[in-house]
Amino acid sequence: EVQLVESGGGLLQPGGSVRLSCAASGFTFSTYWMHWVRQAPGKGLVWVSRINGDGSDTSYAASVEGRFTTTRDNAKNTLDLQMNSLRAEDTAVYYCVRGGSRSRFDPWGQGILVTVSS
Amino acid sequence: QSALTQPASVSGSPGQSITISCTGTSSDVGGYNYVSWYQQHPGKAPKVMIYDVSNRPSGVSNRFSGSKSGNTASLTISGLQAEDEADYYCSSYTSSSTWLFGGGTKLTVL
Repeated sequence: EVQLVESGGGLLQPGGSVRLSCAASGFTFSTYWMHWVRQAPGKGLVWVSRINGDGSDTSYAASVEGRFTTTRDNAKNTLDLQMNSLRAEDTAVYYCVRGGSRSRFDPWGQGILVTVSS
Repeated sequence: QSALTQPASVSGSPGQSITISCTGTSSDVGGYNYVSWYQQHPGKAPKVMIYDVSNRPSGVSNRFSGSKSGNTASLTISGLQAEDEADYYCSSYTSSSTWLFGGGTKLTVL
């Protein structure tokens, strides 16, 4: 069974940093693009970032470019999101998602809540 | 980039069909056959219902279908059932090698 399990969220202060992790299992992790997608409370889905299979190429939403960094460790089957210079508007549930074709986000992790507040 | 445009809400009675639209531009929806649709029940993670405009993953009911014309994609649900009540989101790959989601549509089964 394909599983994605996020960890590392919590209550952070504005300007602070946090590292989210996603543990993948049940599939050949290194052969898939991986994404982060977030959802602010009561709001819609917003794509955050994407990393290719070997970790050599990434892309980011304009709202997080330069503040967030996505990496992966294919030996450990883990995906990370380093989030720096946090803002209140970064408050959201963050989902780790496997990419299939360029349009298939499947499956999704259970999500992890990041709250940025003083 | 702005989110793709979806109606905020749609409704239908059991057994009826409904269609949810998703409008973008020639740089996203209209430029690629990389549109997908997601169902999200309250408190749950999204689930892919349609990908690559009209492909249905195994296990998804054939009551769900997708199409595209120009810059607008559509999700049609036929034979509405109470369990279909959820939020639905479209997504598209873009010319910037990024992805956009729609604002979401709340489906109410009357």
